[in-house]
Amino acid sequence: AQKITQTQPGMFVQEKEAVTLDCTYDTSDPSYGLFWYKQPSSGEMIFLIYQGSYDQQNATEGRYSLNFQKARKSANLVISASQLGDSAMYFCAMRESGKTSYDKVIFGPGTSLSVIP
Amino acid sequence: DAGVIQSPRHEVTEMGQEVTLRCKPISGHNSLFWYRQTMMRGLELLIYFNNNVPIDDSGMPEDRFSAKMPNASFSTLKIQPSEPRDSAVYFCASTSGFQPQHFGDGTRLSIL
Repeated sequence: AQKITQTQPGMFVQEKEAVTLDCTYDTSDPSYGLFWYKQPSSGEMIFLIYQGSYDQQNATEGRYSLNFQKARKSANLVISASQLGDSAMYFCAMRESGKTSYDKVIFGPGTSLSVIP
Repeated sequence: DAGVIQSPRHEVTEMGQEVTLRCKPISGHNSLFWYRQTMMRGLELLIYFNNNVPIDDSGMPEDRFSAKMPNASFSTLKIQPSEPRDSAVYFCASTSGFQPQHFGDGTRLSIL
């Protein structure tokens, strides 16, 4: 069963505007972590931001912030003041730390973001 | 600090040949992951190791695929015999504890 859902295959945003990329997840493990990665056209995977399931505050890293709604099991990525260099694939990932998971990390299908000048 | 090192960066070979992909994780990391990325299926987790022990290989597509981690600083993913549908980018990633995964640059595999 798919555990990470990213419902937006492709998104467009005007340069300098903010954009929200959606991510929902499914787990019965009370302890888990959520990650966002960026993959530009060059192919490398770049870590952006992390949110732990017990973190009280939403994570922020520069222009990136994570809108974490635990009850709804969503962890949306917000990019403020979009730049042309933000055009890339964005992946949401989840790490489970249950008894049988041993920190297994799985990825969602990704969202392709295009920033328009 | 050196990141995750994968080799080769590119591999082109004929169907039926054996392919071996290599990965050196970041020193001190105790978890290592192999992923396959294709347009159709996205990023698939093939197998992961914790302290050199394979924990979950349920993502390995077929018996033609095998992975080993003989020590903390080296892992291989082998495909024998290779088929055109194995063409993909294969990523290795490592991590420790609650840290994010660090990915290698990937191996772009083409099976003719």
